[in-house]
Amino acid sequence: EAGVTQFPSHSVIEKGQTVTLRCDPISGHDNLYWYRRVMGKEIKFLLHFVKESKQDESGMPNNRFLAERTGGTYSTLKVQPAELEDSGVYFCASSQDRGEGYTDTQYFGPGTRLTVL
Amino acid sequence: KNEVEQSPQNLTAQEGEFITINCSYSVGISALHWLQQHPGGGIVSLFMLSSGKKKHGRLIATINIQEKHSSLHITASHPRDSAVYICAVRRGTNKLIFGTGTLLAVQP
Repeated sequence: EAGVTQFPSHSVIEKGQTVTLRCDPISGHDNLYWYRRVMGKEIKFLLHFVKESKQDESGMPNNRFLAERTGGTYSTLKVQPAELEDSGVYFCASSQDRGEGYTDTQYFGPGTRLTVL
Repeated sequence: KNEVEQSPQNLTAQEGEFITINCSYSVGISALHWLQQHPGGGIVSLFMLSSGKKKHGRLIATINIQEKHSSLHITASHPRDSAVYICAVRRGTNKLIFGTGTLLAVQP
């Protein structure tokens, strides 16, 4: 079974440009999460999809970030326009949804390293 | 102050030593995860626990819900155990809150 995949693995862009990151979760996983680690800091939650719906987007830093999951399969995270402080590693994770009250393991992708110059 | 604190931040051990990494948290949780990230590698989930103790090979994870504390133990450590070990707690709608990680180096 394929794991969580992310594309690209690295992206270097200039301040003001737009970048779109993609995450393909494990097939059949309804839950999809985006996280980010900024240099020297802990990984932080950005948002959580259940199928195509945003369950929790409390971690999104500002309106320059837009996440979508059309059709409930893969997800994209767009940063427009990118700023220097957006540099970091963006992780995606997915998990099964076995109902309310059930906690399931999250499987992480390899991450996308974003550098904004 | 982070809601999840790990100690130590850095740890160097000799091959064969018994290793303990600690995690304390200050919020109510539904589960606690221990994760591993090798240099240049992805994040791998080692354990998810909400009570008691779990064991997998040379790794043991324990949690004390009343004291809001968890430990990850590695027995008979090996250089291939060198990695960043991350504690993360689950709250609310399944989102994870992460500690800053512990960088472990096991020397031969």
